[in-house]
Amino acid sequence: GQQVMQIPQYQHVQEGEDFTTYCNSSTTLSNIQWYKQRPGGHPVFLIQLVKSGEVKKQKRLTFQFGEAKKNSSLHITATQTTDVGTYFCAGGMGYSTLTFGKGTMLLVSP
Amino acid sequence: DGGITQSPKYLFRKEGQNVTLSCEQNLNHDAMYWYRQDPGQGLRLIYYSQIVNDFQKGDIAEGYSVSREKKESFPLTVTSAQKNPTAFYLCASSIPGGPTGETQYFGPGTRLLVL
Repeated sequence: GQQVMQIPQYQHVQEGEDFTTYCNSSTTLSNIQWYKQRPGGHPVFLIQLVKSGEVKKQKRLTFQFGEAKKNSSLHITATQTTDVGTYFCAGGMGYSTLTFGKGTMLLVSP
Repeated sequence: DGGITQSPKYLFRKEGQNVTLSCEQNLNHDAMYWYRQDPGQGLRLIYYSQIVNDFQKGDIAEGYSVSREKKESFPLTVTSAQKNPTAFYLCASSIPGGPTGETQYFGPGTRLLVL
């Protein structure tokens, strides 16, 4: 079945440093979605990428979808303590359900 | 105020008991999902339903059951056959995916602890 691998599993940065998490699928995806889960909370949708090579930005967050539509990345510039949480990617295959990666837990020290 | 509600927030179960977790949505979404989250394991799909009176097994359906009698409601029963039920359970809903797939909206979750 479809597998979505996400690395790193955990990252601890100092406030102001950059952060990147990577997502790789075993199969070609129709779309990739990113979610953020704050400690003790539930996943919240951040963004969806659909096109090959697509790049989207949300303030300090940059999302990329690979040319082959099998990998994606989320980059945070100049992290803040409010960025703390677990970031999940989720791969979609069109009409089927999403397959979630195991997430990257981000800890930001002030 | 639209959204997804789950109850209870915390649930304690004794060995051998069945328990039912509630999930209600007023977003008028056709599709609903149940996930289980364990530390370091991400989200694993238990069951999903694309339409009323129909549901499908996910990756880890053994020991769980669901029903979908109403569009707004998708309760999950954790049966005594589920050997390791302690986890965080998340319900989600979406408009069924088209070619670009669906975006899922999550409820606040229920933490189940077996005593």
